[in-house]
Amino acid sequence: ETGVTQTPRHLVMGMTNKKSLKCEQHLGHNAMYWYKQSAKKPLELMFVYSLEERVENNSVPSRFSPECPNSSHLFLHLHTLQPEDSALYLCASSQAIGGAGGTQYFGPGTRLTVL
Amino acid sequence: QKEVEQDPGPLSVPEGAIVSLNCTYSNSAFQYFMWYRQYSRKGPELLMYTYSSGNKEDGRFTAQVDKSSKYISLFIRDSQPSDSATYLCAMRGQGGSEKLVFGKGTKLTVNP
Repeated sequence: ETGVTQTPRHLVMGMTNKKSLKCEQHLGHNAMYWYKQSAKKPLELMFVYSLEERVENNSVPSRFSPECPNSSHLFLHLHTLQPEDSALYLCASSQAIGGAGGTQYFGPGTRLTVL
Repeated sequence: QKEVEQDPGPLSVPEGAIVSLNCTYSNSAFQYFMWYRQYSRKGPELLMYTYSSGNKEDGRFTAQVDKSSKYISLFIRDSQPSDSATYLCAMRGQGGSEKLVFGKGTKLTVNP
């Protein structure tokens, strides 16, 4: 595997379910990100981790819970979601946060549908 | 005024045409400028990266940044059907806490 991988690629869940999205980066980067991409809206930054420490929580509802056990893995735990949470969830990584090393590389995304 | 403005299109051109995509922005602190290409049902792929003002060329692609006008462009020469995708501009400031701010993306179709 190379680059940034995400699983599952597609997920359908009910509003009472609990599920998790997984992201893994094989680039040796130190920072990882979760984004939400909805139709006709710019990418929305959700969370930023640097060296496994959360450095940004962009006013995201508590029904989204991130976890970063090490610099290569990032999870997004989902519970009691709403239909408006249906979107493409993208993971990204970068060498560092900010400066020349802050260029982000994205995974393929998880297409989430909440029924 | 939004931080980054990008015409969503859609833009449809014949194969071989020169394509011009652009974004305007309001934050004069932006220093790093990127263009991402996103195919349908895929994640964004970094296409071009520019620091501060100037031009950068990579094959058929040229990125231009005009900081005085707060305007960035991506030119695609000899466009191909495989260039059909959504193109996202993104930019951020110098500091470590600076978020990457994206445009909405322009959907491009190159017709054979």
